[in-house]
Amino acid sequence: QVQLQESGPGLVKPSGTLSLTCAVSGVSISNGYWWSWVRQPPGKGLEWIGEIDHSGSASYNPSLKSRVIMSVDKSKNQFSLRLTSVTAADTAVYYCGRNGDYDVDYWGQGTLVTVSS
Amino acid sequence: EIVLTQSPGTLSLSPGERAALSCRTSQSITSTYLAWYQQKPGQAPRLLIYGASTRATGIPDRFSGSGSGTDFTLTISRLEPEDFAVYYCQQYDSSPRYTFGQGTKLEIK
Repeated sequence: QVQLQESGPGLVKPSGTLSLTCAVSGVSISNGYWWSWVRQPPGKGLEWIGEIDHSGSASYNPSLKSRVIMSVDKSKNQFSLRLTSVTAADTAVYYCGRNGDYDVDYWGQGTLVTVSS
Repeated sequence: EIVLTQSPGTLSLSPGERAALSCRTSQSITSTYLAWYQQKPGQAPRLLIYGASTRATGIPDRFSGSGSGTDFTLTISRLEPEDFAVYYCQQYDSSPRYTFGQGTKLEIK
């Protein structure tokens, strides 16, 4: 059974860096899948942030590309998100997920990150 | 970037009724690239339909998807109390890889 769990600070200061990790269980992160981050501001819709595969190849949403770095740690079966120069507009629930062929078929429960001083 | 427009924004229906939710794309897309999700308050989205019409694992057969080109529909044949939620369509493209519609809230009348 595939499970994903996000973790990281729930509060980040403006201009700081948001860092989150997604721990994967039930499947090896090296199994040929791509892995995504998606966010949802409070009361709003879903925004895809980017994706990464087990080799570290990544693709980012052009709207966030200049501020996003994703990485993978195969030894820990997890992948990570860093978002730099955050503002209040980056306050959101951040989800990690496993990509299916053309969708996201497994999702973590999500973690709320608030940007505030 | 392909834009997805969902309608209506809110749909008020009673249990037992039929629901039809629309998703229109700004450009024609391959049906394979269209998915639907259900999201309940405080929960992550759940994949319902992929490839425009294929139910994901464990999804009841009262959920069905249809459409092609730029017009897609999610139909719930007979609403159960647990079906009241927000529904999102999503498409797959080169960049950005995934884009979502703004959502349709299905509420109890």
